[in-house]
Amino acid sequence: GDSVTQMEGPVTLSEEAFLTINCTYTATGYPSLFWYVQYPGEGLQLLLKATKADDKGSNKGFEATYRKETTSFHLEKGSVQVSDSAVYFCALSDRGSSNTGKLIFGQGTTLQVKP
Amino acid sequence: DAGVIQSPRHEVTEMGQEVTLRCKPISGHDYLFWYRQTMMRGLELLIYFNNNVPIDDSGMPEDRFSAKMPNASFSTLKIQPSEPRDSAVYFCASSFRLYEQYFGPGTRLTVT
Repeated sequence: GDSVTQMEGPVTLSEEAFLTINCTYTATGYPSLFWYVQYPGEGLQLLLKATKADDKGSNKGFEATYRKETTSFHLEKGSVQVSDSAVYFCALSDRGSSNTGKLIFGQGTTLQVKP
Repeated sequence: DAGVIQSPRHEVTEMGQEVTLRCKPISGHDYLFWYRQTMMRGLELLIYFNNNVPIDDSGMPEDRFSAKMPNASFSTLKIQPSEPRDSAVYFCASSFRLYEQYFGPGTRLTVT
């Protein structure tokens, strides 16, 4: 079945460092890909999305490119801030042949940014 | 826009008691999802509805769990009887036509 694999955390960075969180997926059909962020004590918030190959999603300085050839959707940010400390989830939604709309999540990667 | 509303935010109950979690989706959204989050299993989809009709409940762990959506603006997830292993954060999410899902703040359930 469809699945999402994220790099294990926690990831600890200093403020202004470059961030990469790896995400790869396995899917039949043509999924949409998402990054969600969860701040402590809160629900998940959509950070960015991409719906087809080579699309780049971006928001709040974060970017991710839908790479069909490598089945990846890595999250990047050029300069992290303390306020970016959170858990980041990669997810796919099968809106292709099955079109169930289910979101399948990776296990989440905790990011801690130190001043 | 009030977003997805869940209540209660925290629930502590004793084993064997009935627990009811509530969700109000974003107005106009036609899909509603219930998730459970634990450290061991991560985020799991329990059930989802389209236009108030349950579409897939394959993630519901067992018969002790039931979910209803009597109208477009309200859904409940009930656990009866509750067990300590049900302790988790339960999220409700809604979407319009299977586009991005918007999550509520969650209900942290503790069963002692």
